[in-house]
Amino acid sequence: DIQMTQSPSTLSASVGDRVTITCRASQSISVWLAWYQQKPGKAPKLLIYKASSLESGVPSRFSGSGSGTEFTLTISSLQPDDFATYYCQQYNSYSLTFGGGTKVEIK
Amino acid sequence: QVTLKESGPALVKPTQTLTLTCTFSGFSLSTSGMRVTWIRQPPGKALEWLARIDWDDDKFYSTSLKTRLTISKDTSKNQVVLTVTNIDPVDTATYYCARMGENWAIDYWGQGTLVTVSS
Repeated sequence: DIQMTQSPSTLSASVGDRVTITCRASQSISVWLAWYQQKPGKAPKLLIYKASSLESGVPSRFSGSGSGTEFTLTISSLQPDDFATYYCQQYNSYSLTFGGGTKVEIK
Repeated sequence: QVTLKESGPALVKPTQTLTLTCTFSGFSLSTSGMRVTWIRQPPGKALEWLARIDWDDDKFYSTSLKTRLTISKDTSKNQVVLTVTNIDPVDTATYYCARMGENWAIDYWGQGTLVTVSS
């Protein structure tokens, strides 16, 4: 199975900061990667699909990049609503895999 | 408008079989390219993919859990059912059903249902 490793596991940042989260795959997944945002007690929400495509309705301050085994999610200017946990997920193989999550906390 | 909702027992005893039902609307699982998947999340932990069923009845399972999982669909009722056999306290989690859209990412999620395994 393809393993997904996210870093950091926790990130402390302030409103207005530029934030970058990294996700690494144990083997190449081309561009078959999605990013999700999850708030406490809620289901995850799709932000980015196919590594860099912004889901409809998601603010443009969110962006994704990468291919192969290394991917990043960037929030260009952190807003109060963005404090949450973020997960990457590969769908290159029939067996989907999520990363361990990155919690973005208020500094 | 796409919606999904999970239903099933909130409390299950160890060794029992857990049966969860996902009832959805706003799309048809008989439409080419549609897929429904189950994911779970133990309290305070990360998401874990469990199983997927496609419009053509192809089924796929987590490697680590495949011997205990069965997924099925009833297209006429717009339902997908997941069974988990030989349930254990480590299976305590919120279970989500979700749709994989045409771009293959999980674009719609149910609200989740918390299942606690305890004697």
